[in-house]
Amino acid sequence: DVKVTQSSRYLVKRTGEKVFLECVQDMDHENMFWYRQDPGLGLRLIYFSYDVKMKEKGDIPEGYSVSREKKERFSLILESASTNQTSMYLCASSSVVPRETQYFGPGTRLLVL
Amino acid sequence: QQQVKQSPQSLIVQKGGISIINCAYENTAFDYFPWYQQFPGKGPALLIAIRPDVSEKKEGRFTISFNKSAKQFSLHIMDSQPGDSATYFCAASKIADKLIFGTGTRLQVFP
Repeated sequence: DVKVTQSSRYLVKRTGEKVFLECVQDMDHENMFWYRQDPGLGLRLIYFSYDVKMKEKGDIPEGYSVSREKKERFSLILESASTNQTSMYLCASSSVVPRETQYFGPGTRLLVL
Repeated sequence: QQQVKQSPQSLIVQKGGISIINCAYENTAFDYFPWYQQFPGKGPALLIAIRPDVSEKKEGRFTISFNKSAKQFSLHIMDSQPGDSATYFCAASKIADKLIFGTGTRLQVFP
């Protein structure tokens, strides 16, 4: 069964802290994505990656960076967390063509105080 | 810029009723239209998808209706059940491009 796991379900951080969100997929997928989900705004793409060490900005990359050193792992980094980054963060992966079925992890609910 | 507009934001339906969620898009280059279902505490999962060469696709109680000229597509859930209570997202994409998601509809089905 396909699986995308995220390192934490809930996370509480303070303003200015550096935050790492980790995502691992076991499907050998080339593509990985980070979204944030906010009520009334749906799923907004932060960054995505088509291959190891490759990354492209999504619709809302400001305040975020990513790292993909291994095919199965895609990390989202908040260099200096701010309260407006309090949100649900979802990781997803898909095979070669980006639009094919995306498999989502359970999400990390981040609260920045 | 919202390229995929979804409505309503929330929907309450009685058990056995029909749930209808609508989406409209602007980009005529879009050629893939999936719907994702998300239960509380879970990530979204693909429910059903359609390509513009057909006007309707049915899988069990779930049907996508597609109107290319109006640039609209909708999800119909027949005989809605409490277990269908979830958030539904429509999406669209161009060939070999990323998905653009709608804003989501929270469906509640009451017994």
